[in-house]
Amino acid sequence: NAGVTQTPKFQVLKTGQSMTLQCAQDMNHEYMSWYRQDPGMGLRLIHYSVGAGITDQGEVPNGYNVSRSTTEDFPLRLLSAAPSQTSVYFCASSSGGLANTGELFFGEGSRLTVL
Amino acid sequence: DQQVKQNSPSLSVQEGRISILNCDYTNSMFDYFLWYKKYPAEGPTFLISISSIKDKNEDGRFTVFLNKSAKHLSLHIVPSQPGDSAVYFCAASAGIGGGADGLTFGKGTHLIIQP
Repeated sequence: NAGVTQTPKFQVLKTGQSMTLQCAQDMNHEYMSWYRQDPGMGLRLIHYSVGAGITDQGEVPNGYNVSRSTTEDFPLRLLSAAPSQTSVYFCASSSGGLANTGELFFGEGSRLTVL
Repeated sequence: DQQVKQNSPSLSVQEGRISILNCDYTNSMFDYFLWYKKYPAEGPTFLISISSIKDKNEDGRFTVFLNKSAKHLSLHIVPSQPGDSAVYFCAASAGIGGGADGLTFGKGTHLIIQP
């Protein structure tokens, strides 16, 4: 039972480089999202998707791009990395819909350092 | 402007005693509240939730209380055990059924259970 799988777990980038954080879930969840966690800041929503082909911005979307071509995958792209994007990134999914209780299932996180 | 506030960054409690974690919110549109638990190097895991139509929800050693007039909720853990040592996040949702627009998280409280 894999749940939500994030890769890579650790990454070091130089300023200006681009990269993609991968997220895959095997629970057939419609809703997927990306959060970042910074010291003393809790978790903040970057982007989310309520289904394949549908994405929307969260609280802190600048500098990030997402797409949702399949139900299973929701990659997060950093177009031109900046030191302010040094953070731990969490992907999460839920079943969504009116029956959804808001319970999110989180991946283990991806720690990104931008030099 | 923090909509979900956890004003205690850390809390130390003796094993066997009651742990009380507090959370305040400002957005009157929030109608679903959740607590997540997070161990180091792991993703947050869902602990317990409460709908705004209730004032109490219990699950084993964990009870969440909601005071809508005060916009305050609390998580009680009785009795506290060493495995409860973790960071606890309070989260809130304003979506229908919760989750569609993402959860708003507090900054977290680090609970330390002392033997």
